[in-house]
Amino acid sequence: SAVISQKPSRDICQRGTSLTIQCQVDSQVTMMFWYRQQPGQSLTLIATANQGSEATYESGFVIDKFPISRPNLTFSTLTVSNMSPEDSSIYLCSVEGLAGDNEQFFGPGTRLTVL
Amino acid sequence: GESVGLHLPTLSVQEGDNSIINCAYSNSASDYFIWYKQESGKGPQFIIDIRSNMDKRQGQRVTVLLNKTVKHLSLQIAATQPGDSAVYFCAESYSGYALNFGKGTSLLVTP
Repeated sequence: SAVISQKPSRDICQRGTSLTIQCQVDSQVTMMFWYRQQPGQSLTLIATANQGSEATYESGFVIDKFPISRPNLTFSTLTVSNMSPEDSSIYLCSVEGLAGDNEQFFGPGTRLTVL
Repeated sequence: GESVGLHLPTLSVQEGDNSIINCAYSNSASDYFIWYKQESGKGPQFIIDIRSNMDKRQGQRVTVLLNKTVKHLSLQIAATQPGDSAVYFCAESYSGYALNFGKGTSLLVTP
């Protein structure tokens, strides 16, 4: 399985500001995803981070609010823009398995609190 | 993704007993299913997966059962231990697309 790290692990931010979350993988992967997990809830897919092209966003998520970069096969960033308290969540990146199967491995998550 | 309520269903079992966690999935075309375990403050951890051409798969102390007729998935944990206490999520995908997570179940193992 891949080893995935995220930075920062947690942050407290003021409303109206933006935060960029980094996801680093220890090996090259094709598929990277960003999820949101609101307090006490399940995971919701935000977007698929595509290397070399624009991210693919799920319904309810837009690029202006959650811009994503994927400069190479081991790294991606998610920015939460113009934050409001409703953006307080855990943000998780995941990667698809390296053996060509569909299992996904998750990073430890970034716990964001917006005041 | 699915929307869920703020309160997760909770399953309480005694240490040593077997646990069964159930999940109903939504897409009859889904062909891949995973169970994840999430401990407090951590990301989801892969437990076991199953493809739609199977109805049962066993791992170490865990078994996943798939009933495609009623779109139901279950996770059985044998001889449950305190370290098994966590929130468990099922997830489904279709043709290798990203996972759609179901509602979680909080498992509490009491001594």
